[in-house]
Amino acid sequence: QKEVEQNSGPLSVPEGAIASLNCTYSDRGSQSFFWYRQYSGKSPELIMSIYSNGDKEDGRFTAQLNKASQYVSLLIRDSQPSDSATYLCAGIRSYNTDKLIFGTGTRLQVFP
Amino acid sequence: DVKVTQSSRYLVKRTGEKVFLECVQDMDHENMFWYRQDPGLGLRLIYFSYDVKMKEKGDIPEGYSVSREKKERFSLILESASTNQTSMYLCASNSGQKTQYFGPGTRLLVL
Repeated sequence: QKEVEQNSGPLSVPEGAIASLNCTYSDRGSQSFFWYRQYSGKSPELIMSIYSNGDKEDGRFTAQLNKASQYVSLLIRDSQPSDSATYLCAGIRSYNTDKLIFGTGTRLQVFP
Repeated sequence: DVKVTQSSRYLVKRTGEKVFLECVQDMDHENMFWYRQDPGLGLRLIYFSYDVKMKEKGDIPEGYSVSREKKERFSLILESASTNQTSMYLCASNSGQKTQYFGPGTRLLVL
C-alpha cells in the first residue's frame, strides 16, 4: 500500500464547476497535509496546508481533512482553465517529522 | 520573496560522468531536500540535510551523494551517471515542519 495515494486522473471538469481531488494516507499518526499544484514542466507550488480535522477555505480552494477515515481532499470552486495542472497531495510521516511523502498526483483538466 | 534556485534547468551527460547539481536558497532555512520526479512514481526523496554538514538518506539514495558545506547551498552528486538517473531533479527547503519551497527543477538526460 502506498503511503499517500491519489487517483492519477485525468479528472476533467467544465469551466465553472467544482473540481474534487482526493487523497488517502496510510500513516494514522500523520498530522499535517499539503496540497501542491504543478503546471507541466514547472516545480510544485503550495496551494494549501491543513493540520486539523474539518475544512479550511482559502478563496476558491477548500481543503478537507478526515483523520478517522485517513482522507484528505481539495475542492476547487468555479474551476478555470488556468487551474489545469497536476495536484500533489503530501503528508508528514508521524515517525519522521522532517520529511514529506508525496502522492503521485492527480491531473486536472478544466475545459471551456 | 522566497527563492530557491538550481544551477541548471537542463543537463545532458554521458554514462559514467560525474554530475553536480547545485541548489541555493536565500531564506536561511535549516532543511534542504533533493527529490527526483518520474512519471507515475511522483516525487521521491533522495537525501535531505537538516544542518550544515548534516545529511540523512531519503527513500532512494543509491547512486547519489550530497554535500552541504554552507547553510544556503545543497549539492547533489551523481558519482557515475547512469541512464536510469535520467529524471527531473527538484530541490526544496523549509524551516521546521513548515511549507517546503521548491526550486525550478533540473531536467537531466543521461545518454
